[in-house]
Formats: sequence, structure tokens, C-alpha cells
Amino acid sequence: QVQLQQSGAELARPGASVKLSCKASGYTFTSYWMQWVKQRPGQGLEWIGAIYPGDGDTRYTQKFKGKATLTADKSSSTAYMQLSSLASEDSAVYYCARGEDGIFAYWGQGTLVTVSA
Amino acid sequence: DIQMTQSPASLSASVGETVTITCRASENIYSYLAWYQQKQGKSPQLLVYNAKTLAEGVPSRFSGSGSGTQFSLKINSLQPEDFGSYYCQHHYGTPYTFGGGTKLEIK
Repeated sequence: QVQLQQSGAELARPGASVKLSCKASGYTFTSYWMQWVKQRPGQGLEWIGAIYPGDGDTRYTQKFKGKATLTADKSSSTAYMQLSSLASEDSAVYYCARGEDGIFAYWGQGTLVTVSA
Repeated sequence: DIQMTQSPASLSASVGETVTITCRASENIYSYLAWYQQKQGKSPQLLVYNAKTLAEGVPSRFSGSGSGTQFSLKINSLQPEDFGSYYCQHHYGTPYTFGGGTKLEIK
């Protein structure tokens, strides 16, 4: 069965960077786009971007260009998202999700990022 | 970017009632519309895609309709497990965008 296992919660200082991971299993990692979605506390869902592990192609929404960097390691079937220059508004739960034609049928459990001095 | 507008933002209903949530796209997205359910503290779950196709395992009391710019999600005979938040999302190419969400609460 498809599983997406995300890394644990992060506490980071303002201005720092964090790198979140999403380990995929149960399917061919290189054949599906991996999406990343942000959700601030009590707020809605916000699409950040996506990576195609097969060739490393990436897509980002304008707001997250320069903030998020998506990478993937085919050898370990793991997708990564690095968030840089962290600020309080980056405190959120970040989800990875397997996308097929933009339909997110499988989601990870989420990683909570807290930015605090 | 395509903007997705959901209404209502919140909704209170009783078990057994029928409710409808609407979603409007800022431009024509044909039938490229998905709906997700999210329960408190949990990841979203896919309910409907391509505007009206139920995802695997989704009960038949859920139904999606619409095309173009106007869509709706109908839940017949609400069950206790249906309460939570619902989001629409267009999948008509990147950047994907979500609606603001509808919080469905027990009356």
C-alpha cells in the first residue's frame, strides 16, 4: 500500500533553514509527482510546489519561489523540502502528497514546523 | 493563478440532514475539481475528483457536481464521522489552488 512517512517536528530560529523529508513506499517513486502543501494553524491548505523524482523537474507557486527548494533522492525514495530564511509566518504543518494529474490521493501525516526565538 | 472561492465558510447541521458546499473558480476549469475532507489534527483525504468521481472507499452519500466555474459537494444523510473541514482544489494544471475551506459542525 502507498505510504508517505514524513520527518518529525522541527523547532527553528528565525532566519534559519530546515529540511523536511517524505519517504515513499508501496509504489514506483519515480513515476509520480510529489506535492507539498502548507497549512498554518486554523487555516486552509496552500500548495507550495511539486517535484517529479523521475527527472527532478520542479514546479513552484510564485509565493514560495526562493522560500522552498524541492529535491528527491531516487535511491531512498525520499522527497525533501528545504525552507530557508524562516520567519514566524512559516510556522505551519507541511504535508507531502502523491499527485497524479494534480489529484492528491495519498498524503503524509504532516510535519509541524515552529519558528521561534 | 486560478482563485477558488468556497461557501459557506462554516456550516452547522444535524445528523441525518443533507448539506451542500459550493466552490467557484475564477476561470473555466472544466471538470478539474477535487474535494477533500480533513478532520481535526489529521491529513486531508480525497473525496471526489474530476468534479464528480468518488475516490475509492468514499461512501455514496457524498456526491460532486458542476463544471466550468461552479461546483458543489453534497452530503446526504449526514453521519457523525462527516463532521470536519472540506476543501475544494482545482487540478487544471499548476499552480494548484485550494478553496478557503468549509467547517462542518454538529448542531
